Amino acid sequence: DTGVSQNPRHKITKRGQNVTFRCDPISEHNRLYWYRQTLGQGPEFLTYFQNEAQLEKSRLLSDRFSAERPKGSFSTLEIQRTEQGDSAMYLCASSLDLGSYNEQFFGPGTRLTVL
Amino acid sequence: AQSVTQPDIHITVSEGASLELRCNYSYGATPYLFWYVQSPGQGLQLLLKYFSGDTLVQGIKGFEAEFKRSQSSFNLRKPSVHWSDAAEYFCVVTKSSGDKLTFGTGTRLAVRP
Repeated sequence: DTGVSQNPRHKITKRGQNVTFRCDPISEHNRLYWYRQTLGQGPEFLTYFQNEAQLEKSRLLSDRFSAERPKGSFSTLEIQRTEQGDSAMYLCASSLDLGSYNEQFFGPGTRLTVL
Repeated sequence: AQSVTQPDIHITVSEGASLELRCNYSYGATPYLFWYVQSPGQGLQLLLKYFSGDTLVQGIKGFEAEFKRSQSSFNLRKPSVHWSDAAEYFCVVTKSSGDKLTFGTGTRLAVRP
């Protein structure tokens, strides 16, 4: 399968624990995006990378959240000291910047439940 | 900042009936507009997109959408709905290619047999 993959697909954790999610974009896609989707809402932008550079972060991304894309390939999203309000689906998308329109291809998401 | 409104949270139609999902956007210039579909257990899939040119755009699975600048709308239509179209539909706006996407709250479509 050559689509965007995300691991794990599901994560249950206790409040106060740290969690880390991984996203593997489509090969050679240079842009990678993270979104968060809560129940009954559309996805909301969190952050995005062009290669290894983090170009924009949303105000939704508090100090407890950190994202990396160390070699411009896969990315990780870490949440420290999780809170119940962090429970959501975390979506990753990737695109190839060709100068014309770049479609964002989405992964299946990681569903986080904080108890 | 751009925003999207989808006034219908939930719509039910009979199989074979026509469908129209409403979307209104707010953005100062001409935005890039999209419709995405999300089925249970599936990732988000792009149905169609509008950048410029012909205001009636065709997408996959028999869907089409019409951009109306005067009404700031980008409604999605399908002439005959199939049971497999049951899903959540998101209207999306962005200001430029490669920029972050702004999603509406979604419309959940149910299809009666």
